[in-house]
Amino acid sequence: DAGITQSPRHKVTETGTPVTLRCHQTENHRYMYWYRQDPGHGLRLIHYSYGVKDTDKGEVSDGYSVSRSKTEDFLLTLESATSSQTSVYFCAISLEGSSYEQYFGPGTRLTVT
Amino acid sequence: LAKTTQPISMDSYEGQEVNITCSHNNIATNDYITWYQQFPSQGPRFIIQGYKTKVTNEVASLFIPADRKSSTLSLPRVSLSDTAVYYCLVGSPYNQGGKLIFGQGTELSVKP
Repeated sequence: DAGITQSPRHKVTETGTPVTLRCHQTENHRYMYWYRQDPGHGLRLIHYSYGVKDTDKGEVSDGYSVSRSKTEDFLLTLESATSSQTSVYFCAISLEGSSYEQYFGPGTRLTVT
Repeated sequence: LAKTTQPISMDSYEGQEVNITCSHNNIATNDYITWYQQFPSQGPRFIIQGYKTKVTNEVASLFIPADRKSSTLSLPRVSLSDTAVYYCLVGSPYNQGGKLIFGQGTELSVKP
């Protein structure tokens, strides 16, 4: 499982509240990713990081921000949660030199009411 | 990134060989073909990756014809535990930046 954990695993929050999801890895991988998965849309990339303090946007980044102050932690923040952000969020890492061989965390199920 | 087309769903029985074909007519010279498996309530799991001809590992085989416009994931002697969604992705794995584009995938249902 490449030593990836996500917290929390489940969260219910109200519209308008800030939410931070944490991804933690233990193997010093440089590349980390946040995806969301919704029925009918498959997995979609939100943001990714290619090193400490180096991040970039994915295809569905609006309403999300990320931070990576340490190699092992990649945080995803919803500044003001909306119902459309109800989803399952997956964190992933990739092995150096091959972005297509990614290893995913267990996921966080977020419900915004 | 090349667009991929694969069947939405497939049914099989335990012990059978299952072949899932993915079409990628616009594959580029530098593109590889990668397959992921996803069980309910879990993140996707990397299965296999190939460029041409045939690749085999302990889980599956990947057949790629000479024109590379399609590929076939072969699962030998499936069991109930192989029930999952299988995703075909095409792109250059050495372009760092995580440009993984997951399509709808193929939902494989294995019956006893």
